[in-house]
Amino acid sequence: AQSVTQPDIHITVSEGASLELRCNYSYGATPYLFWYVQSPGQGLQLLLKYFSGDTLVQGIKGFEAEFKRSQSSFNLRKPSVHWSDAAEYFCAVLTGGGNKLTFGTGTQLKVEL
Amino acid sequence: SAVISQKPSRDICQRGTSLTIQCQVDSQVTMMFWYRQQPGQSLTLIATANQGSEATYESGFVIDKFPISRPNLTFSTLTVSNMSPEDSSIYLCSVGAPDADTQYFGPGTRLTVL
Repeated sequence: AQSVTQPDIHITVSEGASLELRCNYSYGATPYLFWYVQSPGQGLQLLLKYFSGDTLVQGIKGFEAEFKRSQSSFNLRKPSVHWSDAAEYFCAVLTGGGNKLTFGTGTQLKVEL
Repeated sequence: SAVISQKPSRDICQRGTSLTIQCQVDSQVTMMFWYRQQPGQSLTLIATANQGSEATYESGFVIDKFPISRPNLTFSTLTVSNMSPEDSSIYLCSVGAPDADTQYFGPGTRLTVL
């Protein structure tokens, strides 16, 4: 069965520091991968996605992610974190014939000023 | 991306009652989805709602508990029936637009059942 693993439940970084959130997937075919962010009391906002092509994808708010097939990973990175980045981040893979999003358990990011 | 609104944004309901959540999109979309996010948890797909056909439910979700309507290409409703405190969750709708492989989410409906 398809699955997404986000090993880190909570991460705390200092403002201005770099960030990497980990995501590993299990899927037999070429995956369509996504990162979403959920701020407190809000819905989900799409940060970026990977379907094919260049394995390093750029997203909104200065985020990027790198697809590594050999490691079944799609880690999210940001070179310098801002206090407003504090939120929960979800990795997801599109499965089920292209309709179903399977989400990881999420990583809660706290930013220390 | 499509602009998605949900009503109500939040509600507090009594055990045994039902609540209907509305999802409105500003453009016509083929596929709409309903998700549940239980407290402190990730999102779980409840069902896929296509216009002109019955909704397709995921394992663990049944039509009697979560009836869905999809009367046109811009609107859908999810009803949470005979509610219990375990139904306290955020319910989100999403649409596959502008490309069907990317889902965009509404702001969610925060439901508390007492």
